[in-house]
Amino acid sequence: GAVVSQHPSWVICKSGTSVKIECRSLDFQATTMFWYRQFPKQSLMLMATSNEGSKATYEQGVEKDKFLINHASLTLSTLTVTSAHPEDSSFYICSATVGSRQRTEAFFGQGTRLTVV
Amino acid sequence: GEDVEQSLFLSVREGDSSVINCTYTDSSSTYLYWYKQEPGAGLQLLTYIFSNMDMKQDQRLTVLLNKKDKHLSLRIADTQTGDSAIYFCAESNFGNEKLTFGTGTRLTIIP
Repeated sequence: GAVVSQHPSWVICKSGTSVKIECRSLDFQATTMFWYRQFPKQSLMLMATSNEGSKATYEQGVEKDKFLINHASLTLSTLTVTSAHPEDSSFYICSATVGSRQRTEAFFGQGTRLTVV
Repeated sequence: GEDVEQSLFLSVREGDSSVINCTYTDSSSTYLYWYKQEPGAGLQLLTYIFSNMDMKQDQRLTVLLNKKDKHLSLRIADTQTGDSAIYFCAESNFGNEKLTFGTGTRLTIIP
């Protein structure tokens, strides 16, 4: 199957700093990528839908100024957590979709564990 | 909006069959999926089923779909220790790339 690479796998940062997470589709072009947040022992919460060349669509309750998403190319989307705080500590996962409009096939990155101290 | 529910935990003895259940509310769901997440990792697609099917088998995995009751199940035959993980069901609609995930079921294998 297609490969989605997420980087870094884990990051520790100080409160108030910004952290950028990259999501790359390695062997396919992804017009749409999704960013999820997963709290411990909970499901994935969709944060935003990232479309190449256009602004991301954020889910209700997700602060777009805090979680900046850029999808500059068909193989790369980035999520920047700005002015991070301890409550932003979480597991962030991206996915990229391929295939026809009939069936969604989503491939997931390995996730990034963010710890804000 | 769409809602997908799963029980949170399941414990099964090694060698037995595991059955993970999922219910959903969106009657326009077109495809239903099962994903596996191992600790600290992303999600791996295990299998999927189109909504006009009621069963799909893939080696040790059997998916059953009851569209009338909006109930989906994943059966893992001969459960092994490597099957320990969280299993998520998910659904999507025709022409929509967005997936809605269930709450996840943590499968624990008892030796």
